[in-house]
Amino acid sequence: AQKVTQAQTEISVVEKEDVTLDCVYETRDTTYYLFWYKQPPSGELVFLIRRNSFDEQNEISGRYSWNFQKSTSSFNFTITASQVVDSAVYFCALRDFGNEKLTFGTGTRLTIIP
Amino acid sequence: NAGVMQNPRHLVRRRGQEARLRCSPMKGHSHVYWYRQLPEEGLKFMVYLQKENIIDESGMPKERFSAEFPKEGPSILRIQQVVRGDSAAYFCASSPGQGASQETQYFGPGTRLLVL
Repeated sequence: AQKVTQAQTEISVVEKEDVTLDCVYETRDTTYYLFWYKQPPSGELVFLIRRNSFDEQNEISGRYSWNFQKSTSSFNFTITASQVVDSAVYFCALRDFGNEKLTFGTGTRLTIIP
Repeated sequence: NAGVMQNPRHLVRRRGQEARLRCSPMKGHSHVYWYRQLPEEGLKFMVYLQKENIIDESGMPKERFSAEFPKEGPSILRIQQVVRGDSAAYFCASSPGQGASQETQYFGPGTRLLVL
């Protein structure tokens, strides 16, 4: 069975600090896909990144970076030099190959304090 | 290039009424998914549809809930005889549906359903 755990329910940091959001997943499949989505206060879901299980390279996009560690089944998300606009709920999600449904974690509410 | 469209954005119903939620996928996308988000929770998969076909409805409640994606027009999620526990945000997502199954799902803004 698939499971995604985001143990951090809420995080608050002061603007310009770095912050890491944790995501741990469980799956029996050897091929799977991991995602991060952002849900700002306006409520929509914004796609941030997709990572395939066979590609363990870490990725950086501007102030965002993702650390995929298959050995620990983790896919953590780091925001450097945080900004107030980063305040949102962040969801990690998992999808097994051949299965169309996404399994979401419960989300981490990130508040950036100006 | 318009994204996934959902309407209405907010819907208020009294217990026992029907709720109809609409979703227009992104242009060129033929796969539609519905998810439900209860307050302070993550999203839960409900149903996956392609044009005129329900592919996976394993997350749909057995009663009162139905979904369709007709050949023409938007996908519809229908909830009959709503109860207070149906109050939630309902999100639609779409994907291109071509090639292998790893395409990303792009989400609409959601419909917030409140049952009084």
